[in-house]
Amino acid sequence: GAGVSQSPSNKVTEKGKDVELRCDPISGHTALYWYRQSLGQGLEFLIYFQGNSAPDKSGLPSDRFSAERTGGSVSTLTIQRTQQEDSAVYLCASSLFVSGGNEQFFGPGTRLTVL
Amino acid sequence: AQSVSQHNHHVILSEAASLELGCNYSYGGTVNLFWYVQYPGQHLQLLLKYFSGDPLVKGIKGFEAEFIKSKFSFNLRKPSVQWSDTAEYFCAANNNAGNMLTFGGGTRLMVKP
Repeated sequence: GAGVSQSPSNKVTEKGKDVELRCDPISGHTALYWYRQSLGQGLEFLIYFQGNSAPDKSGLPSDRFSAERTGGSVSTLTIQRTQQEDSAVYLCASSLFVSGGNEQFFGPGTRLTVL
Repeated sequence: AQSVSQHNHHVILSEAASLELGCNYSYGGTVNLFWYVQYPGQHLQLLLKYFSGDPLVKGIKGFEAEFIKSKFSFNLRKPSVQWSDTAEYFCAANNNAGNMLTFGGGTRLMVKP
């Protein structure tokens, strides 16, 4: 079956612009996660959704970052007024449930470059 | 604080050599442990996971890992590597509350043919 998909695969933007990153999880997966992968910080957790709600937003690096999920499916991560330090690969993952032993399936990522 | 550390940042091996990548964790409560692999140009894939039972876990492509609670370790092993194992390997952990995975810094493995 289809895996996790993300769009766009690459995004180049100018400092100060807003960007939206999209994630389509595996059908039927109730849990959805956002991570980012950068040279200096490795793989960091950003936020997760159980259904449409996000119980834990502690990983978002600043109030310029927000995310939403609608219909228990697609999620968008929005970064406002982008900064150069936001350049990274943004990864989305989904799992059947929010439960420790559940495998998280990762998408290919969106590579964001802020000039 | 919860953390995962991988000792080796870069490893270079010849084909048929044995592999052991170190992973240590610091986590309160019950911990679940994972090894993910990222082949060049591909997305993260699960190699194996441990959450209970036999501490020696076997995964795909001949990999295995051993959970040693007393050492807070979950090292990845493979008896004989192949050129196709060239990739970056990530150790990760979470607890039974689920949600976030905490990742180690990754180990880049290069296998020379």
